[in-house]
Amino acid sequence: QVQLVESGGGVVQPGRSLRLSCAASGFPFNNYGMQWVRQAPGKGLEWVAVISHDGTTRFYSDSVKGRFIISRDNSKNTLYLQMYSLRVEDTTVYYCAKVRAPVVVAAPLGSWGQGTLVTVSS
Amino acid sequence: DIQMTQSPSSLSASVGDKVTITCQASQDINDYLSWYQKKPGKAPKLLIFDASNLETGVPLRFSGSGSGTDFTFTINSLEPEDIATYYCQQYDNPPFTFGPGTKVDFK
Repeated sequence: QVQLVESGGGVVQPGRSLRLSCAASGFPFNNYGMQWVRQAPGKGLEWVAVISHDGTTRFYSDSVKGRFIISRDNSKNTLYLQMYSLRVEDTTVYYCAKVRAPVVVAAPLGSWGQGTLVTVSS
Repeated sequence: DIQMTQSPSSLSASVGDKVTITCQASQDINDYLSWYQKKPGKAPKLLIFDASNLETGVPLRFSGSGSGTDFTFTINSLEPEDIATYYCQQYDNPPFTFGPGTKVDFK
């Protein structure tokens, strides 16, 4: 059974950094691309970033490009999102998600974590 | 970047009603479109992928259709547990943009 558990959220001041983690289990983590999706309070889903199964391919949304870095440690079955220069508008719930099909980067998101809340406030 | 639009932004329906939501992409996305259900405080749930394929375990009252740039999501007979916001997403080209969502509630 696929399980994705995010952690690392919390309250942080504007301009500071934060790293989110997503612990994966129940599937061969090193075979699947992974993504981050976020949802601000009262807003819609916003796609953030994707990383290929082997970490060699990464893409970002324009809103986080140059500030966030997606990475993974396949030996630890863990996905990361390193966030720098945080802004008030980055205040959202961050979800990690597993793509539905192995190896590919572009695929629907078949499994999701429960999310972790990041609040950027002075 | 590919832009996704959805309509309507919200709708009210009764139990048993047929509900239809449309999603349009700003360019051809080769049917690489999925539909998700999102309830408050819950993780999104994949319902439809590749425009018309039902995800395993999803009730048959949900369906998707369309190709190219224009897609439709249908709930054949609305059930109380279907009250949620529904999003389309393209995964043809990154960034894998979502539509703005359609909130479905009871009339």
